[in-house]
Amino acid sequence: DTGVSQNPRHKITKRGQNVTFRCDPISEHNRLYWYRQTLGQGPEFLTYFQNEAQLEKSRLLSDRFSAERPKGSFSTLEIQRTEQGDSAMYLCASSLAAGAQETQYFGPGTRLLVL
Amino acid sequence: GEDVEQSLFLSVREGDSSVINCTYTDSSSTYLYWYKQEPGAGLQLLTYIFSNMDMKQDQRLTVLLNKKDKHLSLRIADTQTGDSAIYFCAPRGSGNTPLVFGKGTRLSVIA
Repeated sequence: DTGVSQNPRHKITKRGQNVTFRCDPISEHNRLYWYRQTLGQGPEFLTYFQNEAQLEKSRLLSDRFSAERPKGSFSTLEIQRTEQGDSAMYLCASSLAAGAQETQYFGPGTRLLVL
Repeated sequence: GEDVEQSLFLSVREGDSSVINCTYTDSSSTYLYWYKQEPGAGLQLLTYIFSNMDMKQDQRLTVLLNKKDKHLSLRIADTQTGDSAIYFCAPRGSGNTPLVFGKGTRLSVIA
């Protein structure tokens, strides 16, 4: 198993364009998380899935953001009508939830720059 | 909600020990994690401690937890230049709560 992978690693787009990121979790991990990290800050939670169900969304996730995990495996995060404030690193993490203990493993991230 | 505070910077000489401190506010935190982030990269899990433990040792890493004061520390013995990175503590509350991160501590190791 190669760990969590994310594509693309870098994305430059113009304001107003739509972008989509993909995350492939560790095999058989049932939970998948999306975080956003801006410069000088720690990651901030956006949303998470258990299997294909989206169980929680942060208030940071405006209506321009949508995430899916259609078959309970990979996930996509789409940002519509991008704004310069969306520039950040978008991190994906996966875990195998088993009782109280749950360790999240992070991917390398997708760095987005909105011009 | 949970609030996590860490010192922003720490500088140590190669071979010395580093101690990175973290305070948190949610007393119901069950597991507390330490992650390392190198420039431009994702987060690498270093270690974690369960809230009913006071200490956990893992090779060069020692985690101390003072649950009463809601204080967590990470000690790195024999610090190397490859340890230069940003270190995040991330408590996890009870139930299905996401991790909460502070701003992280940037560790610089001087050769």
